[in-house]
Amino acid sequence: YVLTQPPSVSVAPGQTARITCGGNNIGTKSVHWYQQRPGQAPVLVVYDDSDRPSGIPERFSGSNSGNTATLTISGVEAGDEADYYCQLWGTSSDLNWVFGGGTNLAVL
Amino acid sequence: QVQLQESGPGLVKPSETLSLTCAVSGGSIGSGGYSWSWIRQPPGKGLEWIGSISSSRSTYYKSSLESRVAILVDTSKNQFSLKVISVTAADTAMYYCGSGAPGRGDYWGQGTLVTVSS
Repeated sequence: YVLTQPPSVSVAPGQTARITCGGNNIGTKSVHWYQQRPGQAPVLVVYDDSDRPSGIPERFSGSNSGNTATLTISGVEAGDEADYYCQLWGTSSDLNWVFGGGTNLAVL
Repeated sequence: QVQLQESGPGLVKPSETLSLTCAVSGGSIGSGGYSWSWIRQPPGKGLEWIGSISSSRSTYYKSSLESRVAILVDTSKNQFSLKVISVTAADTAMYYCGSGAPGRGDYWGQGTLVTVSS
């Protein structure tokens, strides 16, 4: 199972960034999103398509339908500049994790 | 809140075995409901799941690595470990341990860089 993300997305501060994650019938699966700032470990920012862990700002939201899951970051700040990865678990008969290739968010 | 800390050699020779440990604090590795995982990231590349062990001690590995990896839990020390045999340069990466609900990484360690070189 392959998850496809755009290599990069650019957005001006205060604008809305949308990062997509494409996969066959991905809308039938639970998708998680991670933020990885340079030199740091990944941080879970959205789980189960659209839920936020405690401590994650409401500016981060997610959706999932059809063949595309989307991470939306509203009111983008300079500190949001990072790599973002989508991930899901349990495709067909196995319990493997699958990661997307990652998207670098540049804040102009 | 669960905290994780990886430890192990930073340099491993080709064909030898890579061994890493993840110490768990702020929670018990013996309690149910959590899974414990290893993920790696080659320099400049994306994240790659290696495998996970569930609270019932069932293990799941990436199919391409399954013949070379093992994940074990040591409840007496509240830690879990990763072993990768017959390493090559392609195993050079930052190695992260993670935990959380099954199938995702709610908590991550800071990572440890392992270089395979003679």
